[in-house]
Amino acid sequence: DAMVIQNPRYQVTQFGKPVTLSCSQTLNHNVMYWYQQKSSQAPKLLFHYYDKDFNNEADTPDNFQSRRPNTSFCFLDIRSPGLGDAAMYLCATSRDRLAGGEQFFGPGTRLTVL
Amino acid sequence: ILNVEQSPQSLHVQEGDSTNFTCSFPSSNFYALHWYRWETAKSPEALFVMTLNGDEKKKGRISATLNTKEGYSYLYIKGSQPEDSATYLCDLLGQAGTALIFGKGTTLSVSS
Repeated sequence: DAMVIQNPRYQVTQFGKPVTLSCSQTLNHNVMYWYQQKSSQAPKLLFHYYDKDFNNEADTPDNFQSRRPNTSFCFLDIRSPGLGDAAMYLCATSRDRLAGGEQFFGPGTRLTVL
Repeated sequence: ILNVEQSPQSLHVQEGDSTNFTCSFPSSNFYALHWYRWETAKSPEALFVMTLNGDEKKKGRISATLNTKEGYSYLYIKGSQPEDSATYLCDLLGQAGTALIFGKGTTLSVSS
């Protein structure tokens, strides 16, 4: 029944060592989102894909990249993780961002940077 | 800068109590508002999609209202149960999908 799957649930990496988080969906939704949530803060949108079109938020650091090889999968790459990048990373999908409908979330990946 | 405020940050109620919390947003840039429930170790789950001023939505013991002119939405839980313990998030979708901003959430704890 899982609709948005994130792997791994917990990821530990070292300072500066590239890491990739993955997200897959069985909903066939057009839009996929990546959020970063630090402790006691609001989830912050990093970027989203509308089909193959990549949309980066203005304040997302260059250290964060994303790939969407097909409808089902989307990856978050952190090229050189810093201690400040330790957070929960949430993936979400929606049919159409402009339609105003809700998002469907994965359970998140908690990233620890040592 | 679009800002979404939720209050209170947290609250603790007894089983059977009714409670409510608030999501505030700039009314000038409203397109849609969503409420989510996020239980520990689970995925955030959508509760309501609200788009029209005066909207009232209900799902079981949980309901929500929307006032776009004054920029707020209330979430009500009637007769809270321990299984209602979760963080309740709201997010605002700005005009024409220009922005998607979450509040920090309200964490509800219900004691039996």
